[in-house]
Amino acid sequence: DADVTQTPRNRITKTGKRIMLECSQTKGHDRMYWYRQDPGLGLRLIYYSFDVKDINKGEISDGYSVSRQAQAKFSLSLESAIPNQTALYFCATSGLGQRSGGEGANVLTFGAGSRLTVL
Amino acid sequence: AQKVTQAQTEISVVEKEDVTLDCVYETRDTTYYLFWYKQPPSGELVFLIRRNSFDEQNEISGRYSWNFQKSTSSFNFTITASQVVDSAVYFCALSEAGYSTLTFGKGTMLLVSP
Repeated sequence: DADVTQTPRNRITKTGKRIMLECSQTKGHDRMYWYRQDPGLGLRLIYYSFDVKDINKGEISDGYSVSRQAQAKFSLSLESAIPNQTALYFCATSGLGQRSGGEGANVLTFGAGSRLTVL
Repeated sequence: AQKVTQAQTEISVVEKEDVTLDCVYETRDTTYYLFWYKQPPSGELVFLIRRNSFDEQNEISGRYSWNFQKSTSSFNFTITASQVVDSAVYFCALSEAGYSTLTFGKGTMLLVSP
């Protein structure tokens, strides 16, 4: 099984519908992230969480919300989807940050991506 | 604010050519990390390398090498003797000290033809 699992992998929906993208991880990481990828724009951070009680907005949080249900689970919701939210969404995890000095510090492990199309 | 610029949107080479992907970054921190990720046509994001700001030693891993130059705020990636399997989008990224959110460049699409 993958270390970081995203569901669904593909979803087509209509404008105005509520959509939830789910992410679960088996890496035991505290930190989880949602990024969005659009052609020519790279990856942009939507929300991130450093532990279960911590939620932070990223660069492009408008129109999105998140829930950190457990250390291993981080969900992204679109309350009322619109066509310009059509994109590839990635969940990622990381271990302790720079302070830990660990070899894997700040290295993101990504899920396989969820392709969302809003008609 | 931190910023990563990958000026090359797309590069096309013929197999066995060497190719360099450019990355220029901006940050006010003196301690930071730089990364390269690969996204093959299958879509997953694969971690390639992390470099600390206080370690300017260049690194080589097989056909891959990275040139980190603080003086020009650049972290360039060279593929020697490119292969068709190197065809992918390559992302450069930056994270500042104490944080683990990465800021990504817009990516460079590399197409290696047989």
